[in-house]
Amino acid sequence: GAVVSQHPSRVICKSGTSVKIECRSLDFQATTMFWYRQFPKQSLMLMATSNEGSKATYEQGVEKDKFLINHASLTLSTLTVTSAHPEDSSFYICSAAGGAPYNEQFFGPGTRLTVL
Amino acid sequence: GENVEQHPSTLSVQEGDSAVIKCTYSDSASNYFPWYKQELGKGPQLIIDIRSNVGEKKDQRIAVTLNKTAKHFSLHITETQPEDSAVYFCAASIPGGTSYGKLTFGQGTILTVHP
Repeated sequence: GAVVSQHPSRVICKSGTSVKIECRSLDFQATTMFWYRQFPKQSLMLMATSNEGSKATYEQGVEKDKFLINHASLTLSTLTVTSAHPEDSSFYICSAAGGAPYNEQFFGPGTRLTVL
Repeated sequence: GENVEQHPSTLSVQEGDSAVIKCTYSDSASNYFPWYKQELGKGPQLIIDIRSNVGEKKDQRIAVTLNKTAKHFSLHITETQPEDSAVYFCAASIPGGTSYGKLTFGQGTILTVHP
């Protein structure tokens, strides 16, 4: 299957700082990328959907000014957690989809964010 | 929007036994149903998927069945092995419009296979 990478795999930061997470599709062009958040022992919750070259669509309850998403190319999307706080600590996972007609999403390995 | 319910939340079996996980969905427009395996600290891995024009699909020890009328689909793992132990998620996707390609996940099932 298609390969999606994420960087970094884990990050620890101080409260109030910003953290950028990269998501790359390595062997295919991703017209759409998705960002999820997963708390321990819970399911994946979609945060936002991003299409290359356009603004991301955020799910209800997700602050777009806090979670900045940029999808500058067909192989790269970034999520920036601005002014991070301890409650933002979570496992962030991206996925990439190659377009119509199928909806397969290929997931990255995830990024563990810990905010002190 | 779509709602996906998954059962059971935990499942414990002996090596060699079969395991079945069931999901129901609410929106009849959903047409794509993937299953993911997630190991601790890793991202989900697609193990099998099925589309609404198919009733059953099999890949070695793994099979998925879909009942569109009842709006439920199931994952079947035969001859389970300890390495099958993980969290399994079902998901459903609705085509078209602003929700194109968006997956709604079930709550997950922790499968433990005892040697």
